[in-house]
Amino acid sequence: NAGVTQTPKFQVLKTGQSMTLQCAQDMNHEYMSWYRQDPGMGLRLIHYSVGAGITDQGEVPNGYNVSRSTTEDFPLRLLSAAPSQTSVYFCASSFSGGDTGELFFGEGSRLTVL
Amino acid sequence: GENVEQHPSTLSVQEGDSAVIKCTYSDSASNYFPWYKQELGKGPQLIIDIRSNVGEKKDQRIAVTLNKTAKHFSLHITETQPEDSAVYFCAAKRNSGYALNFGKGTSLLVTP
Repeated sequence: NAGVTQTPKFQVLKTGQSMTLQCAQDMNHEYMSWYRQDPGMGLRLIHYSVGAGITDQGEVPNGYNVSRSTTEDFPLRLLSAAPSQTSVYFCASSFSGGDTGELFFGEGSRLTVL
Repeated sequence: GENVEQHPSTLSVQEGDSAVIKCTYSDSASNYFPWYKQELGKGPQLIIDIRSNVGEKKDQRIAVTLNKTAKHFSLHITETQPEDSAVYFCAAKRNSGYALNFGKGTSLLVTP
């Protein structure tokens, strides 16, 4: 059972470069989300999606774009990376974000922006 | 929006002792309170959750208590073992909303 799969696991970027963090889930979950984890800051919600074609902003959306063209995939795009975006990124999904179901997390993508 | 405060940020206990982690929340409309455990290099994983219609829930060595009046909830781990060493996150959510708001985490170390 793959669950939530994130790629890449590690990435180093230079300031101004762009990249996409990939997230895929095979559980037919409607709800998908992206969090960033920084030391002493916990997990902060970047963007989320409640179904294909529907996305919304979380607590810290600036500098990130998302799209949801299929139920399975929810990529996170950094258009012009900044050192402040150095972080560990987690993708998470649940059957339905509107209920109180369990969030399933990927193993994370560690991004360093120089 | 919802603000979840978590204490302590670090906790060290001896194997066999109990560990307690406390959280407070600000949004009185929150009614779902999960706890996640994050082992080194992994994503967080749900270990227990509680809804606002109950005051306590137990699952073997872990339990969660909720005081809706005071807007706080706690995680209790009894008979701690070295494999309980991890970062623990509390969270709160409205049933009508989508965002799960996390506390800043507690790093628990259980020493043999």
